[in-house]
Amino acid sequence: GAGVSQSPSNKVTEKGKDVELRCDPISGHTALYWYRQSLGQGLEFLIYFQGNSAPDKSGLPSDRFSAERTGGSVSTLTIQRTQQEDSAVYLCASSVNRRDLNTEAFFGQGTRLTVV
Amino acid sequence: RKEVEQDPGPFNVPEGATVAFNCTYSNSASQSFFWYRQDCRKEPKLLMSVYSSGNEDGRFTAQLNRASQYISLLIRDSKLSDSATYLCVVNRGTGFQKLVFGTGTRLLVSP
Repeated sequence: GAGVSQSPSNKVTEKGKDVELRCDPISGHTALYWYRQSLGQGLEFLIYFQGNSAPDKSGLPSDRFSAERTGGSVSTLTIQRTQQEDSAVYLCASSVNRRDLNTEAFFGQGTRLTVV
Repeated sequence: RKEVEQDPGPFNVPEGATVAFNCTYSNSASQSFFWYRQDCRKEPKLLMSVYSSGNEDGRFTAQLNRASQYISLLIRDSKLSDSATYLCVVNRGTGFQKLVFGTGTRLLVSP
């Protein structure tokens, strides 16, 4: 079966341009997470979607960052007016997320974003 | 204070050594706990869940101390292939689960 799929795998963009990163979660997974990881650093939480509930956006670093999840499945993370400090690997994860399960989160391979 | 805290390391150990990592969490309502492993330039993957009674998987033992709000991971007979970053993950609990990741502890096993 397919795992979490992210595209593109690599993206080089010029400072000031907008970028869109895509995540296709595992089918049936209601929870979806976006994280950011700078070189040699830990995972930085960005945003969390759970079903039809309002997303938890508490980790978005600025209003240049936004994300949506259409139809409870595919998610897009958009970064407007990119800055060099946005360069990082952007990781998406999904999980089944039920009350009665110790749910495992499955990660995609990430999108490596480089802002030049 | 971060919700999940780990010593970033690195922990440098020789092959065959036993090494232990701790992780503390601040939300007492947390229900589920995990250790993930992340290899260099790869995505994190589940290593093991952590159960209240403690659990073992081969050379790896995970334990939970709810009273003190910490989780531990013990690796016995370290192998070179154990070199990685180990991420502590906590589920906040109460309703739908949001997984909170620690920033990881780096382990380097040398010959």
